[in-house]
Amino acid sequence: QVQLQESGPRLVKPSGTLSLTCAVSGASITSGHLWTWVRQPPGKGLEWIGEVSHSGGAIFKPSLSSRVTLSVDTSKNHFSLRLISVTAADTAVYYCARAGAFCDGDCHFPIDFWGRGTLVTVSS
Amino acid sequence: IVLTQSPDTLSLSPGERATLSCRASQTITNNYLAWYQQKPGQAPRLLIYGASRRTTGFPDRFSGSGSGTDFTLTISRLESEDFAVYYCQNYGMSSHTFGQGTKVEI
Repeated sequence: QVQLQESGPRLVKPSGTLSLTCAVSGASITSGHLWTWVRQPPGKGLEWIGEVSHSGGAIFKPSLSSRVTLSVDTSKNHFSLRLISVTAADTAVYYCARAGAFCDGDCHFPIDFWGRGTLVTVSS
Repeated sequence: IVLTQSPDTLSLSPGERATLSCRASQTITNNYLAWYQQKPGQAPRLLIYGASRRTTGFPDRFSGSGSGTDFTLTISRLESEDFAVYYCQNYGMSSHTFGQGTKVEI
């Protein structure tokens, strides 16, 4: 069973940097899946942040792309999110997740496994 | 691609049929459209991918349909455990946006 676990500071100061790591177990990060970050402000909907492959190729939500870095550490089987210049609007539950490869003729990459999520608060 | 779900809230009783809509601002290629169920305090769960392919763990009262810009999630007979928030998502080549969600409440 694939499991993902977010870790990192739960409180970040405004203008600071939010850094989270996602430990993957039950699957190799070098498999053909994609590794994703999604966030959810308290009481609001889901927001896709971006995804990264094991080779480091990444795509981002356009409005966040100037502030986001995604990386993969294959030796530790984990991947990471870095978000700079944070404001209160970045306060959210951050989920790491896997976009699994569902291939039957064609291939689909919906998010099939999620971490439990971690609430990160931006506040002084 | 912007996804707009309707209605925002659906108030129904157990045993009733629920019909949730997800409309895209542009054509979604290859039916790269998923539906997720989220209950309070929990991570979302993948329910449907490829617009109509149901994942294991969800019963056949759940079905997805549609193509192009209009997609539908149908729950044929609501059971108590189905009351939750449902999100659609486009997971195409460069756009992975979520809809704003539809809450199915009793």
